[in-house]
Amino acid sequence: NAGVTQTPKFQVLKTGQSMTLQCAQDMNHEYMSWYRQDPGMGLRLIHYSVGAGITDQGEVPNGYNVSRSTTEDFPLRLLSAAPSQTSVYFCASTHGAGVTVVSGELFFGEGSRLTVL
Amino acid sequence: AQKVTQAQTEISVVEKEDVTLDCVYETRDTTYYLFWYKQPPSGELVFLIRRNSFDEQNEISGRYSWNFQKSTSSFNFTITASQVVDSAVYFCALSEANFGNEKLTFGTGTRLTIIP
Repeated sequence: NAGVTQTPKFQVLKTGQSMTLQCAQDMNHEYMSWYRQDPGMGLRLIHYSVGAGITDQGEVPNGYNVSRSTTEDFPLRLLSAAPSQTSVYFCASTHGAGVTVVSGELFFGEGSRLTVL
Repeated sequence: AQKVTQAQTEISVVEKEDVTLDCVYETRDTTYYLFWYKQPPSGELVFLIRRNSFDEQNEISGRYSWNFQKSTSSFNFTITASQVVDSAVYFCALSEANFGNEKLTFGTGTRLTIIP
């Protein structure tokens, strides 16, 4: 199983450029989310989705857009990159409400390291 | 607001020693979940455990054990007979009890180094 797949793994942008971080999962999970990891700050929630067509903001949503047109995909868009968005980004997914979960694990992708110059 | 505190920024122990990583949380919810994740030097996040706030039984899995105490709002993690492969950053996290809507609040992590 591929699990949660993120692309690209590394990206360098100039200030003001736009880009999309891709996230796809093949586990038929309803819930997907994006986190950013910064040194000394742990992981912080950016945006999340509880199903196709439904998205909501997390703790640090400014500067990011998301959409959820399919169950499998949850792309994260940076419309005008800023140096403050230099970070490692993680996509995660898990089963939706009503599904019996044994471990309750939130599955993470391998991360995407973004540098904004 | 939810908060997770991992006061130990870095810990170093000699191989085979036992080590405990502390986690203290704050939440107004009566039902919540607590997690531990491991992040090895390769960078991925490895799920270790999730506990329901109603289940205060301690958990043991091989060399790993977890001590959940609601009275002190703590969910500590102990590695027994540590090994070099245990070297990693460990994150404690908390989520509110909306099942299928796991918005995790992470601690800042503890970097554990096992010295051979």
